Amino acid sequence: QKEVEQDPGPLSVPEGAIVSLNCTYSNSAFQYFMWYRQYSRKGPELLMYTYSSGNKEDGRFTAQVDKSSKYISLFIRDSQPSDSATYLCAMSAGGYQKVTFGTGTKLQVIP
Amino acid sequence: DGGITQSPKYLFRKEGQNVTLSCEQNLNHDAMYWYRQDPGQGLRLIYYSQIVNDFQKGDIAEGYSVSREKKESFPLTVTSAQKNPTAFYLCASSNRVDYEQYFGPGTRLTVT
Repeated sequence: QKEVEQDPGPLSVPEGAIVSLNCTYSNSAFQYFMWYRQYSRKGPELLMYTYSSGNKEDGRFTAQVDKSSKYISLFIRDSQPSDSATYLCAMSAGGYQKVTFGTGTKLQVIP
Repeated sequence: DGGITQSPKYLFRKEGQNVTLSCEQNLNHDAMYWYRQDPGQGLRLIYYSQIVNDFQKGDIAEGYSVSREKKESFPLTVTSAQKNPTAFYLCASSNRVDYEQYFGPGTRLTVT
């Protein structure tokens, strides 16, 4: 079993929809959580970073962490065709332990 | 303008040749990384370095070599021993190995 699991998709939604992207993890020591967006043939771009349970909001994006369930989510409100990309979650336990990446979920927002 | 640069964007080589991919950062980060990404696949860690003059193997180091002589630079050599070198290579850096990473634009290597 992988330490971080992420549904590869693709996930297709109509423009304007609320998108929910999720990752589950098995290592209860993970405490830093990140979301990246990767457009085709580009490097991943850091979207959000959090090291606590609960929600963190940035514009149309909300990151949610539930440590008791070992589950993190990224919500995108009012999705746009420009949000079409692969979204990767990442996490680490701190203490100089390496970051572990999910394999990514491909999102398509249909105009 | 702070960031990570990788050059070249596209690289073509003949089988049997070694090739070196460049990665430079001006973010003053201590840690640097090399990943390989194959079509439709996730990131696979090749090598990483937490500090100058030190580096560790990642999950798929065979056929690759690195050096870290300067804080800003972490070049990756793909040797002829790497069986399937054609891939998209990504360099990243971070303040610490457990902190968020920032990625370069990538180099697409094609070996024929």
